[in-house]
Amino acid sequence: KNEVEQSPQNLTAQEGEFITINCSYSVGISALHWLQQHPGGGIVSLFMLSSGKKKHGRLIATINIQEKHSSLHITASHPRDSAVYICAVRSYLTGGTSYGKLTFGQGTILTVHP
Amino acid sequence: EAGVAQSPRYKIIEKRQSVAFWCNPISGHATLYWYQQILGQGPKLLIQFQNNGVVDDSQLPKDRFSAERLKGVDSTLKIQPAKLEDSAVYLCASSLALGASGEETQYFGPGTRLLVL
Repeated sequence: KNEVEQSPQNLTAQEGEFITINCSYSVGISALHWLQQHPGGGIVSLFMLSSGKKKHGRLIATINIQEKHSSLHITASHPRDSAVYICAVRSYLTGGTSYGKLTFGQGTILTVHP
Repeated sequence: EAGVAQSPRYKIIEKRQSVAFWCNPISGHATLYWYQQILGQGPKLLIQFQNNGVVDDSQLPKDRFSAERLKGVDSTLKIQPAKLEDSAVYLCASSLALGASGEETQYFGPGTRLLVL
């Protein structure tokens, strides 16, 4: 079982729809990241969360530390939102005194049709 | 502010050949990462540098991969000899440093797409 699991793997939506991408993880973490990757490889950091909720424009990210789960929501989706969305977590090393590597989920491929 | 620069953008080689990738991080960023992203998967950390020291290279296949960051700025990643399964995008990222809570923002380069034939 991967440390970071995303669902769905593929998501197709019509323009204007509300979209949710989920991320579950199995280790204790210090922070969770949501990243966006466009065709051609460029990756952009969208959010960094350690608790609660963050909003930026039409994007909202939430995290529930107790349930080890995070969601990324896109309101009023647009074709330019089409990309791969990647969840990544930074785990604690043993003892919780320093920080482990960033572990990535496999990504969710989002396609928004006009 | 200039972003993370990588070169080359694309490389095609035959198996058993050698290849090297170069990364120039954002000025002032102490931490530099190399990731391997195989098609359809998320990035996998190969090596993390803090200035010119290695923080984590536990997932670097050291029999064929090597990386250095001699002056704590630019970095090179080398594969020698390459195998078919090394075909992937190699991403470089940099960050200022980990905060006290372990939070940081990583800035990614455009990647080098490697095809091994």
